[in-house]
Amino acid sequence: DTAVSQTPKYLVTQMGNDKSIKCEQNLGHDTMYWYKQDSKKFLKIMFSYNNKELIINETVPNRFSPKSPDKAHLNLHINSLELGDSAVYFCASSRQTSTGELFFGEGSRLTVL
Amino acid sequence: DAKTTQPNSMESNEEEPVHLPCNHSTISGTDYIHWYRQLPSQGPEYVIHGLTSNVNNRMASLAIAEDRKSSTLILHRATLRDAAVYYCILRGGTASKLTFGTGTRLQVTL
Repeated sequence: DTAVSQTPKYLVTQMGNDKSIKCEQNLGHDTMYWYKQDSKKFLKIMFSYNNKELIINETVPNRFSPKSPDKAHLNLHINSLELGDSAVYFCASSRQTSTGELFFGEGSRLTVL
Repeated sequence: DAKTTQPNSMESNEEEPVHLPCNHSTISGTDYIHWYRQLPSQGPEYVIHGLTSNVNNRMASLAIAEDRKSSTLILHRATLRDAAVYYCILRGGTASKLTFGTGTRLQVTL
């Protein structure tokens, strides 16, 4: 069983559309994250949720709205997609400790045309 | 978050040990040193972490300087599958985020 699974793996869409990426973890972790990796391969944290509560929001445009229906799921909805949103989005989870290792999903590659 | 400095790239021959350095001169007393790696077309993967003492696990060893201002990730016998970008990250506090830098791209050749 995949520990952290994201869907879809690939997403190609037009500018202005709205799209969602889903993430699920079966590790029983309290904390989940979304990271964005751009074309220069720089990995940047976007959001973190702990037990369905937002704890990190890294000045991401409000077109991006995370939603955590329960602690095993963290979905990312993006409104009015722009060319600059093209990237690989990684979901991750961990226990809520400073030493808890993060387990990452395989990534969702979003291409905005 | 305290900053880390790593070489952009390193090369190694297969079956030889690799020492990946990381400087973190502004580390605070509560910061843990974490190492992750990202293989091509995959998500980052945890490698090892430590606070003050050297650490060993099945993947690697972590050597931490006595003043904690630097550390070295040691791969004892590099294989082609170890070719990846290796990230050295400081993390402190229960709610702190994991902030990735540019990492070291390790190339392993036959």
